[in-house]
Amino acid sequence: AQSVTQLGSHVSVSEGALVLLRCNYSSSVPPYLFWYVQYPNQGLQLLLKYTTGATLVKGINGFEAEFKKSETSFHLTKPSAHMSDAAEYFCAVSDGFGNEKLTFGTGTRLTIIP
Amino acid sequence: DAEITQSPRHKITETGRQVTLACHQTWNHNNMFWYRQDLGHGLRLIHYSYGVHDTNKGEVSDGYSVSRSNTEDLPLTLESAASSQTSVYFCASSESRGRTGELFFGEGSRLTVL
Repeated sequence: AQSVTQLGSHVSVSEGALVLLRCNYSSSVPPYLFWYVQYPNQGLQLLLKYTTGATLVKGINGFEAEFKKSETSFHLTKPSAHMSDAAEYFCAVSDGFGNEKLTFGTGTRLTIIP
Repeated sequence: DAEITQSPRHKITETGRQVTLACHQTWNHNNMFWYRQDLGHGLRLIHYSYGVHDTNKGEVSDGYSVSRSNTEDLPLTLESAASSQTSVYFCASSESRGRTGELFFGEGSRLTVL
């Protein structure tokens, strides 16, 4: 079975500051890892994903994440926060064997302080 | 543009009533999923389908059913609504099995069971 733990249900950063959202996973097989973003009253949309290959993946809106197998982590970062980044962020994992089911974390709500 | 639509977006019902939430996608995706979103739990998988006439139970399937009679639609039925089923429900779709990647989400259906 797979699982995802997101540390911090709420994170606040100042506009222009570094954004760091933490995600740790558990998987008995090589995982596929995802970050999704949810804006108020909307569905989720994909920010970025790791499947195989390069462990540093870049996504939309300046976000990136690094897969660290030794730490079972897939933290999401952005060098400089923008007001439009305020949203809820979900980390997710699948087993990478063509099984399209995703297991989601509980989410982190990001607030940007002007 | 291809899309995924859910209806109704908001519904209030009474305990014991049958409720059906509709999900329609125009991407011609084989895979469709229903998740529920609750505070502190993130998204949890209810049911999913890999194609016409295929349905599978997810993590929290008790009290829910789905049927897949065509590629485009996966309606979710609550046979006898319970207050514990008050939640926001998201439908999602993705391409064929074996091409693990992006889920495309609808905008959600908020269900209140009184």
